Amino acid sequence: DAGVTQSPTHLIKTRGQQVTLRCSPKSGHDTVSWYQQALGQGPQFIFQYYEEEERQRGNFPDRFSGHQFPNYSSELNVNALLLGDSALYLCASSITSPKETQYFGPGTRLLVL
Amino acid sequence: DAKTTQPPSMDCAEGRAANLPCNHSTISGNEYVYWYRQIHSQGPQYIIHGLKNNETNEMASLIITEDRKSSTLILPHATLRDTAVYYCIVRPVNSGNTPLVFGKGTRLSVIA
Repeated sequence: DAGVTQSPTHLIKTRGQQVTLRCSPKSGHDTVSWYQQALGQGPQFIFQYYEEEERQRGNFPDRFSGHQFPNYSSELNVNALLLGDSALYLCASSITSPKETQYFGPGTRLLVL
Repeated sequence: DAKTTQPPSMDCAEGRAANLPCNHSTISGNEYVYWYRQIHSQGPQYIIHGLKNNETNEMASLIITEDRKSSTLILPHATLRDTAVYYCIVRPVNSGNTPLVFGKGTRLSVIA
């Protein structure tokens, strides 16, 4: 049973560019959440997708957007990259069940120069 | 903001039990205590969760005080591979998709 997968593993961009990160959820999961983890900090919630719609959003600007596809996979897009966007981006999947928790992928390390 | 308080770091000798404390004095009756860990540069890994009873699985034991204001995660025989940052998280019951709110966690170093 494949767990949560993310691509790419590492990425280097320059300020002002745009980036797309991808996530495939754990088999049987229908919900994808994205988190940003700056160096030395705990992960911070960006947003969550369920049924191809953004259901919840954390305190992140509109430069951060996403998408969920019919197969439940998801993309995170960041426009107009800033140096401060350098972080580990984590995807977590879950199912819509009261007793379930979220399972994380390995993350994508983004460096903005 | 995270509703939990954890020590920033702890050391443990290999083979000994690692006891990681967490304070959650404002926890409400409908909130679970969850534990995740994050090994360097990897995604967080779910360990265990509990409501009010002590819980045990193949990875760890979770001891929750009777007043539920604090808990302890116990790794019975720590190995070098248990070196990681451990996060204690409070989360509502019936909240499968509620976002996790992480603090800074406890950095556990297991020493040979």
